[in-house]
Amino acid sequence: QQQVKQSPQSLIVQKGGISIINCAYENTAFDYFPWYQQFPGKGPALLIAIRPDVSEKKEGRFTISFNKSAKQFSLHIMDSQPGDSATYFCAASMQGNTPLVFGKGTRLSVIA
Amino acid sequence: ETGVTQSPTHLIKTRGQQVTLRCSSQSGHNTVSWYQQALGQGPQFIFQYYREEENGRGNFPPRFSGLQFPNYSSELNVNALELDDSALYLCASRGQGIDTQYFGPGTRLTVL
Repeated sequence: QQQVKQSPQSLIVQKGGISIINCAYENTAFDYFPWYQQFPGKGPALLIAIRPDVSEKKEGRFTISFNKSAKQFSLHIMDSQPGDSATYFCAASMQGNTPLVFGKGTRLSVIA
Repeated sequence: ETGVTQSPTHLIKTRGQQVTLRCSSQSGHNTVSWYQQALGQGPQFIFQYYREEENGRGNFPPRFSGLQFPNYSSELNVNALELDDSALYLCASRGQGIDTQYFGPGTRLTVL
């Protein structure tokens, strides 16, 4: 049973374009939703995170949009750059020191 | 850099052997979690330690075991290695009551 479903599996975007990655979750007890960026051979690095009490959070070129009723959230990367080429993972966890449940990842390639 | 370190970086073992992986958590973080990341997949939660006690476990068999030490560093032990244990093993640490987990660079384990 996959609790966090992520799409697309891979994405190719032109430099300067907008990259959009979507996630859907099933467990309504989840209340923390981070996005991680992972380069080959490295561990995941926290990019941005959101809680269900807000519908959008922006940090630089990265924005999370959150739809609580639809149980969906998405990552938008504005003005995508070749250096953004990496694998992105959405995740979710519940309150109380609980583990992260990850999506399967999206491999993003930004081409010039 | 997250301040979470792992050793060794790479490891090659044969089926049936035992392995110990090590993690040094970020300063001040008393909770350590271990994740297994198979190739092309998202990290899967193995178990978590808080103040030297296991306080959460994912769907992994008992041959996966761990320890946390008074300085909050941690070990992951895997007995009777199987070919499917080949993966990147990630350690993540966080402070008490904090949702954000910071990952180390991982240990790449290959079982032949």
